[in-house]
Amino acid sequence: DARVTQTPRHKVTEMGQEVTMRCQPILGHNTVFWYRQTMMQGLELLAYFRNRAPLDDSGMPKDRFSAEMPDATLATLKIQPSEPRDSAVYFCASGWTGGGPEAFFGQGTRLTVV
Amino acid sequence: DQQVKQNSPSLSVQEGRISILNCDYTNSMFDYFLWYKKYPAEGPTFLISISSIKDKNEDGRFTVFLNKSAKHLSLHIVPSQPGDSAVYFCAANSIPSSNTGKLIFGQGTTLQVKP
Repeated sequence: DARVTQTPRHKVTEMGQEVTMRCQPILGHNTVFWYRQTMMQGLELLAYFRNRAPLDDSGMPKDRFSAEMPDATLATLKIQPSEPRDSAVYFCASGWTGGGPEAFFGQGTRLTVV
Repeated sequence: DQQVKQNSPSLSVQEGRISILNCDYTNSMFDYFLWYKKYPAEGPTFLISISSIKDKNEDGRFTVFLNKSAKHLSLHIVPSQPGDSAVYFCAANSIPSSNTGKLIFGQGTTLQVKP
């Protein structure tokens, strides 16, 4: 059953703490996205990787957010320091350049910063 | 700068009737358009896509129409079922190829299908 796996599913943290979210893309997929869902912006693209190389991270606040792909089976999104306005659901999605235009989403990480 | 817009936050229809969800875009370079469905506490699920060289694509109860001159697309669900109640996102592929490019999403429309 091929799926994108995200951990943790829920995270509550105090303001100022570091938060790391992890994503395991579908095996064989070479494109990975990080999105953030907010009420006002819908699904907002934060970062986008192809073959582990970052192609676009213009949607990400650079001073506190960082995204990496240490290997083809793991993508991470880190927030340091976290702020209450970062509270949202963060989604990872993966796709394959040999397939169609669609990307497949994980179930998301719900982050609450208090 | 919202390149993909869904101007209706919500839509309510009766079971068995047609649901029409609308989406507008501003960038004429988009080459693929997609619709996703999202249930609470789950990730978005891909529904249907359409290439910019076509004006219609159909898959079962779901049909997507594209009007390039108006920069407008719509998703028709016929007949609507209570299980279709979800948030629907319109998305556009910003890289001119059929490969998975950068997907830009609208704000979503919440569809409620009443029994």
